[in-house]
Amino acid sequence: KAGVTQTPRYLIKTRGQQVTLSCSPISGHRSVSWYQQTPGQGLQFLFEYFSETQRNKGNFPGRFSGRQFSNSRSEMNVSTLELGDSALYLCASSPGITGEVEAFFGQGTRLTVV
Amino acid sequence: GQNIDQPTEMTATEGAIVQINCTYQTSGFNGLFWYQQHAGEAPTFLSYNVLDGLEEKGRFSSFLSRSKGYSYLLLKELQMKDSASYLCAVRDSNSGTYKYIFGTGTRLKVLA
Repeated sequence: KAGVTQTPRYLIKTRGQQVTLSCSPISGHRSVSWYQQTPGQGLQFLFEYFSETQRNKGNFPGRFSGRQFSNSRSEMNVSTLELGDSALYLCASSPGITGEVEAFFGQGTRLTVV
Repeated sequence: GQNIDQPTEMTATEGAIVQINCTYQTSGFNGLFWYQQHAGEAPTFLSYNVLDGLEEKGRFSSFLSRSKGYSYLLLKELQMKDSASYLCAVRDSNSGTYKYIFGTGTRLKVLA
């Protein structure tokens, strides 16, 4: 079974630009969660999508948004990029049903804002 | 508020046992997770505890005490490949929605 696929793996953007990251979950998984990982802050939860609806949300500003498509693929968008948005962005997929808590992470997209 | 504390670094010897502690404060506890993350790689799921007690999975065990806001991950028969960061995370529920709060991780070095 194929794992979680994130594209692109690396990205360099300029302050003020916007960026879209993509995540394809494991086949059959309906939940996709997004995380930001930085050396100083560790792993921080952005949001979770399940069946095309945002089900849970962390404490990030509105510049961070996402969506999920009917095939469970998810995209995350960051608008008006700031230098502090430089981080590894990870997505995790899981079945999303009660009792099935194991999440599988993708390799991440490393975003550098210059 | 919500907070998770775990040691920044630990060192142990191959073949030994190591215990990584995690304390948390959260208003709506709904489960505790442990993940392993090797440098430059994605985190991988190790364990999940929602009730008090010990969950054993091979060389790894995880313990939870909800009344104390405390968990530990126990690694037995340490191997060099266990050198990694170990992340403690809590699922916090509020008004029917969840947030996942991660600690900053414990970097474990296993020495020969």
